[in-house]
Amino acid sequence: DARVTQTPRHKVTEMGQEVTMRCQPILGHNTVFWYRQTMMQGLELLAYFRNRAPLDDSGMPKDRFSAEMPDATLATLKIQPSEPRDSAVYFCASGLVPKQGASLKAFFGQGTRLTVV
Amino acid sequence: KQEVTQIPAALSVPEGENLVLNCSFTDSAIYNLQWFRQDPGKGLTSLLLIQSSQREQTSGRLNASLDKSSGRSTLYIAASQPGDSATYLCAVNGANSKLTFGKGITLSVRP
Repeated sequence: DARVTQTPRHKVTEMGQEVTMRCQPILGHNTVFWYRQTMMQGLELLAYFRNRAPLDDSGMPKDRFSAEMPDATLATLKIQPSEPRDSAVYFCASGLVPKQGASLKAFFGQGTRLTVV
Repeated sequence: KQEVTQIPAALSVPEGENLVLNCSFTDSAIYNLQWFRQDPGKGLTSLLLIQSSQREQTSGRLNASLDKSSGRSTLYIAASQPGDSATYLCAVNGANSKLTFGKGITLSVRP
C-alpha cells in the first residue's frame, strides 16, 4: 500500500536547536508539499516542489526554515534555530502531475508533531 | 490569492441526520477540489476529488458537489454515524498545482 512516510513522528527539542524533518513521497510522484498545521492558522503551505525544483516557498520564514529535495525519494524541512512558536504539526504530501496544467490528487503523511521548549 | 472558507467551524448533530458541509473559494480557476477527513492526532485522508469539469462525485454515504463558477462545493453526508465525527477539510488545486486549504469543519455526531 503506497503511502507518504514522515520521520520522526514526534520531536521535542530545546529552543535554538536545529530540527530536521524528513519525508519519503510515494514512488513516482513528482510534486511534494510541506504544510504546517496549528489550531489558530489551520494548514499553511510552507513550500512545494515539482521534479525536485522549488515552485513556491513564499510561505516559509526564510531566515530559519529551509526545504530541499536531495533526491526524488527524500524531502527535508529544516528549522535552525528553532523557536517555541514553531511548535506545530508538520505535514508532507505528494502527488503526480503528469503534464503541465493537469490535475493533482494529494496524499498526506501522518505528520511530525514538533514541540520546541 | 486563493482563499478557501469553511463555515461553520464546528457542527454537532444527532446520529442519523443528513448533513451538508460547505466550502467556498475565491478564485474559480481550479483544476480540482478535494475533500479530506482528519481524525484527532492523525494525518489527512482523501475522501473525494472532483475535477473542475465535473459537478459531483459519490462514495458510499458521501456526495460532493462542485459549482466552479460560483466558487462553492458541498459535502453531503447521509445518515450520519458517530464514526463520522472528525474534521473535514476542503482543498482547491489551482495554478501551478498549488493546494490551498480551508480551516476545516469539526463534526460531532451524537449517539
